[in-house]
Amino acid sequence: AQSVTQLGSHVSVSEGALVLLRCNYSSSVPPYLFWYVQYPNQGLQLLLKYTTGATLVKGINGFEAEFKKSETSFHLTKPSAHMSDAAEYFCAVSSMDSNYQLIWGAGTKLIIKP
Amino acid sequence: ETGVTQSPTHLIKTRGQQVTLRCSSQSGHNTVSWYQQALGQGPQFIFQYYREEENGRGNFPPRFSGLQFPNYSSELNVNALELDDSALYLCASSLIVATGQGNEQFFGPGTRLTVL
Repeated sequence: AQSVTQLGSHVSVSEGALVLLRCNYSSSVPPYLFWYVQYPNQGLQLLLKYTTGATLVKGINGFEAEFKKSETSFHLTKPSAHMSDAAEYFCAVSSMDSNYQLIWGAGTKLIIKP
Repeated sequence: ETGVTQSPTHLIKTRGQQVTLRCSSQSGHNTVSWYQQALGQGPQFIFQYYREEENGRGNFPPRFSGLQFPNYSSELNVNALELDDSALYLCASSLIVATGQGNEQFFGPGTRLTVL
């Protein structure tokens, strides 16, 4: 069965510092990988996704993620944090194993310190 | 292009009651998925509807049921409400043109259900 692990339920960084949110997955077949962001009292918005091809994926708001098959990871990064990045971030995986349904991590709340 | 909308935004029910939540999918989409998101947790997949048929179901009891209409809008019905059903219910629409694709799902703002 597929699963997603997000390391750290809360991550705190200073404004202007590097953001790194970790996501590891398990899948016995090639996965599709997603990062979504959820602002307070709102639905989920897609940040970026990996399907095939280039393993470094660029998304909205300056975020990017790299698919590393050998490490079964899809960590999300942003070079310089902004106050508006404060939100909850979810990693999700889908594949033939899950009949292409999204399997979600528990989420990481990103806190930005002034 | 109209996004995914859900109604109502908030709802308060008591144990044992029944509730219907509604979702209008994004224009051009043919698939709707429903998720339950408890406070502080990630979304849990309830079920998906494709062309008015259930196309996958998560680990939820039969008292969670759904419908998809010809215009691709959808309803989620929950019978015999329990306290643990209190959560944010999210609807997501997508366009499935072929299996095997990482189809992007577009989410609505959710319905916050409180069961007392």
